[in-house]
Amino acid sequence: QQQVKQSPQSLIVQKGGISIINCAYENTAFDYFPWYQQFPGKGPALLIAIRPDVSEKKEGRFTISFNKSAKQFSLHIMDSQPGDSATYFCAALNTGNQFYFGTGTSLTVIP
Amino acid sequence: GAVVSQHPSRVICKSGTSVKIECRSLDFQATTMFWYRQFPKQSLMLMATSNEGSKATYEQGVEKDKFLINHASLTLSTLTVTSAHPEDSSFYICSARDVQGHSYEQYFGPGTRLTVT
Repeated sequence: QQQVKQSPQSLIVQKGGISIINCAYENTAFDYFPWYQQFPGKGPALLIAIRPDVSEKKEGRFTISFNKSAKQFSLHIMDSQPGDSATYFCAALNTGNQFYFGTGTSLTVIP
Repeated sequence: GAVVSQHPSRVICKSGTSVKIECRSLDFQATTMFWYRQFPKQSLMLMATSNEGSKATYEQGVEKDKFLINHASLTLSTLTVTSAHPEDSSFYICSARDVQGHSYEQYFGPGTRLTVT
């Protein structure tokens, strides 16, 4: 059973556009929600993360929106650049110290 | 800060041999380390969780006798794939957490590409 559901599976965005990736979860025991960026042949790297006590967190061009009542969170990449082309994973951490990952979104930013 | 290294980055071995992959936290104490396996265009699959000084906890379906994990120090964990077969070919990624530092985050290594011929 997929604990964290991620969509879309792939996304193509024009340079300068906004990329939006969505995740949903069911387990209310999750209390930490990170996003990772992974380039081919590399390990994932932390991009931005949020705790459920805030509804939004922004770092540069990257913003997480968090809706606790809907149990959904999303990543917004503003002014998307070709260098942002990568696979993005959302994740959730439960109080039992275990991370659950989404299935990943392959983002392609067209110049 | 929070750098995790893996060695080797790529390894090719013959079927039936064993391969050891090292995971090191370079600038923090990793009280907990995780080992993941990733197939092409798929998400990370957690194989096992190891805490320094204790036996690893394996996920369901992961053969503990085939994937030996040792977390002997606060900066080093090793994964040994024993009697490797072509179906073990995959991208193996470790991550580390400083649980005692009350950090939520896990930091990933760069991964090891294992090819079994």
